[in-house]
Amino acid sequence: NTVMTQSPTSMFTSVGDRVTMSCKASQNVGINVGWYQQKTGQSPKRLIYWASNRDTGVPDRFTGSGSGTDFTLTISNMQAEDPAIYYCLQHNSYPWTFGGGTKLELK
Amino acid sequence: QVTLKESGPGILQPSQTLSLTCTFSGFSLSTYGMGVGWIRQPSGKGLEWLANIWWDDDKYYNPSLKNRLTISKDTSNNQAFLKITNVDTADTATYYCARMRLRRVPLYWGQGVMVTVSS
Repeated sequence: NTVMTQSPTSMFTSVGDRVTMSCKASQNVGINVGWYQQKTGQSPKRLIYWASNRDTGVPDRFTGSGSGTDFTLTISNMQAEDPAIYYCLQHNSYPWTFGGGTKLELK
Repeated sequence: QVTLKESGPGILQPSQTLSLTCTFSGFSLSTYGMGVGWIRQPSGKGLEWLANIWWDDDKYYNPSLKNRLTISKDTSNNQAFLKITNVDTADTATYYCARMRLRRVPLYWGQGVMVTVSS
């Protein structure tokens, strides 16, 4: 199975900050990675597919990058509505696997 | 407009079989490249992919659940199903269904249904 390791597990940030979170795959997954944002009590919302393609309606402050084993989600200008848990998901091979999540909070 | 909605028993006892239904609209499971997947999330914990079923009836399961899963579909009625046999308290979670498209992670998710396993 492909293990997806996210870091950090949690982080505190301020409005206006640049935020970077990582997702590392235990084997090469190409660009077959997506990123999700999940707010409390809500279903996950897809932000990024194929590692770097932003979904329609997702603010351009969200950027995904990477390929192979190393992936990054960057929020260029943290906003008050961005605190959430962010998950990566690989669909390169079965079983699909999620990272453990990065919890993003405001200071 | 794509929508999905999960339904389930709410609560069941250990060793019983959990039956979940995903009723969807806005797409067809007979269309090339379409699929439905199930994902679960215990309260306060992360997401776990369980199973996918595709338009051509290909099925994939998470081996961590050791053959307890069965996924199926009713294309005519726009429904997909998941059965989990021999449940225990570790199966207590919110269960989501999501629309799959070939070679993409899912965009559309249902609202989730909470399932509690308790004696």
